[in-house]
Amino acid sequence: AQTVTQSQPEMSVQEAETVTLSCTYDTSESDYYLFWYKQPPSRQMILVIRQEAYKQQNATENRFSVNFQKAAKSFSLKISDSQLGDAAMYFCAYRSAGGSQGNLIFGKGTKLSVKP
Amino acid sequence: KAGVTQTPRYLIKTRGQQVTLSCSPISGHRSVSWYQQTPGQGLQFLFEYFSETQRNKGNFPGRFSGRQFSNSRSEMNVSTLELGDSALYLCASSLATRPGSGNEKLFFGSGTQLSVL
Repeated sequence: AQTVTQSQPEMSVQEAETVTLSCTYDTSESDYYLFWYKQPPSRQMILVIRQEAYKQQNATENRFSVNFQKAAKSFSLKISDSQLGDAAMYFCAYRSAGGSQGNLIFGKGTKLSVKP
Repeated sequence: KAGVTQTPRYLIKTRGQQVTLSCSPISGHRSVSWYQQTPGQGLQFLFEYFSETQRNKGNFPGRFSGRQFSNSRSEMNVSTLELGDSALYLCASSLATRPGSGNEKLFFGSGTQLSVL
């Protein structure tokens, strides 16, 4: 069975600085998708960034980028120029490429605080 | 376009009761998934429905059930509530039509916070 591990329960960053959130996963599959979701106090999960395992190029979305290391099964999220609105819980998630779109395996999350 | 709507937002029940939660997906989305979120276990997949059929089920007891209607709205039901069922229940929808058909995004609702006393 696949597992997702986020080893940092809490992280803190100064506004305008850069922070990296860690995620490792375990799978025997070669084709899969990885995601980072953000959950603010409103509780709604919001997709931040998505990576296809067959793509070597790291995904980027504005201030958000990932460092995808397939061999090491590592998928970290880098947030540049941190803003107060970035404060939230961040969840790393895995989905099998052949699996249903709604079946994600989530890590336990990292709570990110942004200091003004 | 309206997002995923979950009702009610908050619910308080007592042990032994049953509860029904509702989820209305984004218009045009036919796939609906449910997740349970607790501080201890995190986010766990409950089940997924597509065109009124359960397509996938997580590792939860039979007290947890769901269904999907012809308009894609979905309900989940928990019978004989236990204290451990206290959680945030999240619903998500997507345009996905078949497993592995691509990387369509999941759109989540704001959840129903269930407290069992």
